Amino acid sequence: EAGVTQFPSHSVIEKGQTVTLRCDPISGHDNLYWYRRVMGKEIKFLLHFVKESKQDESGMPNNRFLAERTGGTYSTLKVQPAELEDSGVYFCASSPRIHRDEQYFGPGTRLTVT
Amino acid sequence: DQQVKQNSPSLSVQEGRISILNCDYTNSMFDYFLWYKKYPAEGPTFLISISSIKDKNEDGRFTVFLNKSAKHLSLHIVPSQPGDSAVYFCAGSSGGYNKLIFGAGTRLAVHP
Repeated sequence: EAGVTQFPSHSVIEKGQTVTLRCDPISGHDNLYWYRRVMGKEIKFLLHFVKESKQDESGMPNNRFLAERTGGTYSTLKVQPAELEDSGVYFCASSPRIHRDEQYFGPGTRLTVT
Repeated sequence: DQQVKQNSPSLSVQEGRISILNCDYTNSMFDYFLWYKKYPAEGPTFLISISSIKDKNEDGRFTVFLNKSAKHLSLHIVPSQPGDSAVYFCAGSSGGYNKLIFGAGTRLAVHP
């Protein structure tokens, strides 16, 4: 069974540019999460999809971040325009059910904004 | 406001000895706690969990202890092995939702 995959693994962009991160969850997992870790600090929750619907987006930093999940399968996280403080590692995770299931994390996308 | 705190950024242990990683939380609504392990360039992987109605959960070499009155949990690894060298994250969740609130992690180094 393939794990959670994320693309790209690393992205370097200039301030003001746009970047789109992609996450493919484990097949059949209805729940998809985005997290971010900045500079060795805690891993912070961004948002949670159940199928194609946003269940909780309380962690989204501001309206420069837009997440979508097309048809309840893969998800994209767009940052537009990118700022220096957006640099960090963006993790995607998925789980089959909502209650007390462990989340399976992808390897992350390291975003560097210069 | 950091709801989960791992106050030790690093820990060094000799192979075969016990590793004890600590975690404190402030959110009284947490009713489920998890430990994740992370190797470089990989995502976190689930290690062990505990419900707030329990005070101990054991899985092989790994045991998690929960002290609700102190809002403290710890992960014990016995015996420690070099392959356990990684960053360990403590996380809490509340209600029926799986949103995880993580600490900043503790880097464990197990040396021969």
